[in-house]
Amino acid sequence: DTEVTQTPKHLVMGMTNKKSLKCEQHMGHRAMYWYKQKAKKPPELMFVYSYEKLSINESVPSRFSPECPNSSLLNLHLHALQPEDSALYLCASSQDPGRVVGEAFFGQGTRLTVV
Amino acid sequence: DQQVKQNSPSLSVQEGRISILNCDYTNSMFDYFLWYKKYPAEGPTFLISISSIKDKNEDGRFTVFLNKSAKHLSLHIVPSQPGDSAVYFCAAHEDDKIIFGKGTRLHILP
Repeated sequence: DTEVTQTPKHLVMGMTNKKSLKCEQHMGHRAMYWYKQKAKKPPELMFVYSYEKLSINESVPSRFSPECPNSSLLNLHLHALQPEDSALYLCASSQDPGRVVGEAFFGQGTRLTVV
Repeated sequence: DQQVKQNSPSLSVQEGRISILNCDYTNSMFDYFLWYKKYPAEGPTFLISISSIKDKNEDGRFTVFLNKSAKHLSLHIVPSQPGDSAVYFCAAHEDDKIIFGKGTRLHILP
């Protein structure tokens, strides 16, 4: 299994809603990432979890709250988002954080629209 | 300030010819470089990588060259095929981070 699975694929939410994005991998990877990608822009790093601990937060607003319940799962909790938060949210994983790790595997992404 | 730069937003190449995608970087602490390919509405897919201690890595039709003194790397695709039409992201790794360039859209012409 070399997949990173993200659910849902599409999500439309209002500015007062609370929702969660989910990411799962069963490759035994110990680093997991959340990226945000706007149209025609590169993926931008949001958070990094290393060995289930948050190691990097790229100054992301608190309306985005990551959670890593175990080594296979990564969630992104969303609350009081703004329309400009609409984007493709990508989850990725890689074998070992902080070392020469080779490639990171990406999920298909969740297309989020905030209305 | 962009640490990974892809200065060509798009590139058109005839099928069967060589595609050369370029990337420049500013941070000499990057220890690994990666190329990703992305189709619309999909996540990036890893293509090929190179360690900062190497100057070339080859995998089938894909070869990546690294010039550390110039802080420049390039991806060569030979021969180019229609399925290679996509956006190509150059990325660099340091500690726990992977930092992406803005991407180059490659069009393979029949």
